[in-house]
Amino acid sequence: KAGVTQTPRYLIKTRGQQVTLSCSPISGHRSVSWYQQTPGQGLQFLFEYFSETQRNKGNFPGRFSGRQFSNSRSEMNVSTLELGDSALYLCASSPGLAGVKTQYFGPGTRLLVL
Amino acid sequence: TQLLEQSPQFLSIQEGENLTVYCNSSSVFSSLQWYRQEPGEGPVLLVTVVTGGEVKKLKRLTFQFGDARKDSSLHITAAQPGDTGLYLCAGRGLTTDSWGKFQFGAGTQVVVTP
Repeated sequence: KAGVTQTPRYLIKTRGQQVTLSCSPISGHRSVSWYQQTPGQGLQFLFEYFSETQRNKGNFPGRFSGRQFSNSRSEMNVSTLELGDSALYLCASSPGLAGVKTQYFGPGTRLLVL
Repeated sequence: TQLLEQSPQFLSIQEGENLTVYCNSSSVFSSLQWYRQEPGEGPVLLVTVVTGGEVKKLKRLTFQFGDARKDSSLHITAAQPGDTGLYLCAGRGLTTDSWGKFQFGAGTQVVVTP
């Protein structure tokens, strides 16, 4: 099976712009979670989608949003970018929500905001 | 604020030595996971521990979950250069606010030199 893919791998934006990142989960997986990783804060949970519905949300401002499509692919959007949004954005897929959850991470999208 | 405290932050050892990484919290978790992350890649799951007091062994790696399900440790015996990486622990929340969410520690950077 192919792993989790994320596009693009690298992105440079300027303050005030918006950005959309994409994640394709492992085939058959229906849950997709998004995380932000920075040197100062480490890995922080953004949100989780399952069956096109947001099931869980972290403590991030409303500028961060996401969605999931019927094929389980997911996108996250960040509007009005700030310098502090520079980070590695990771997506993780899981078969479902129940039981012990095994997360498979993608390689991430590295976003630099200038 | 990191709810999961990892120590040490950095560990540099010679090949063949042993090492232990600790993950501590005041919160109880339904499960705890350990990951290893290498540069340019997403974290890769090593193990999930669920039961208080549980010990799991994977070749040279031994994982322990505290009796109260608040802390965990990772012990590597006879470390090899291939063990080099960022080790992350992640606890799955049980409280109303944290239900189902994974909280990550800041990570321990391990460097094993030949």
